[in-house]
Amino acid sequence: QQQVKQSPQSLIVQKGGIPIINCAYENTAFDYFPWYQQFPGKGPALLIAIRPDVSEKKEGRFTISFNKSAKQFSLHIMDSQPGDSATYFCAAFSGSRLTFGEGTQLTVNP
Amino acid sequence: DTGVSQDPRHKITKRGQNVTFRCDPISEHNRLYWYRQTLGQGPEFLTYFQNEAQLEKSRLLSDRFSAERPKGSFSTLEIQRTEQGDSAMYLCASSWGRGHSEQYFGPGTRLTVT
Repeated sequence: QQQVKQSPQSLIVQKGGIPIINCAYENTAFDYFPWYQQFPGKGPALLIAIRPDVSEKKEGRFTISFNKSAKQFSLHIMDSQPGDSATYFCAAFSGSRLTFGEGTQLTVNP
Repeated sequence: DTGVSQDPRHKITKRGQNVTFRCDPISEHNRLYWYRQTLGQGPEFLTYFQNEAQLEKSRLLSDRFSAERPKGSFSTLEIQRTEQGDSAMYLCASSWGRGHSEQYFGPGTRLTVT
């Protein structure tokens, strides 16, 4: 059962654009929401994370927006660069495990 | 290198053979996790250790799978009688601190069962 739904599946932007990736969840027991970046052949790398008592968090060019009542959260990448081209996964934590979304393949064209 | 390491990085095996993977977590981390990732999908939780104790197992972890963390440091994941459906990337992650939340992943072991 898919507990974290992620969209879009793929996204193409021009350099300098602001790609936005969205996730929605149903399980209210989730209490931590990280985003991971994964390059081909590599393991996921933790980018940024947020807890549900905060509505927004910024780290460098990455921003998470969190809407607890709607059970939705999103990742914004400011001033995107070709080096940001990767697959991005949202995740949600409860108990001892992370539940991941299906991923968004981002391409940033020069 | 102070990150999570996994060995081997790639493994090709014939159906029915047994395989074993190793994970070395970040040295001060007491929690260790195994996930499986198939092509085009997000990682799926398999099992979790706190120190040497295996505290949770997913329903994905069939009886052909066994994981150990004998001294609370490195961990091994063994798959017996491999099947083609076992072909996937096997990821290890570790964490420390107030929550299990900040999990740091290794590079993974890519298993191909022919």
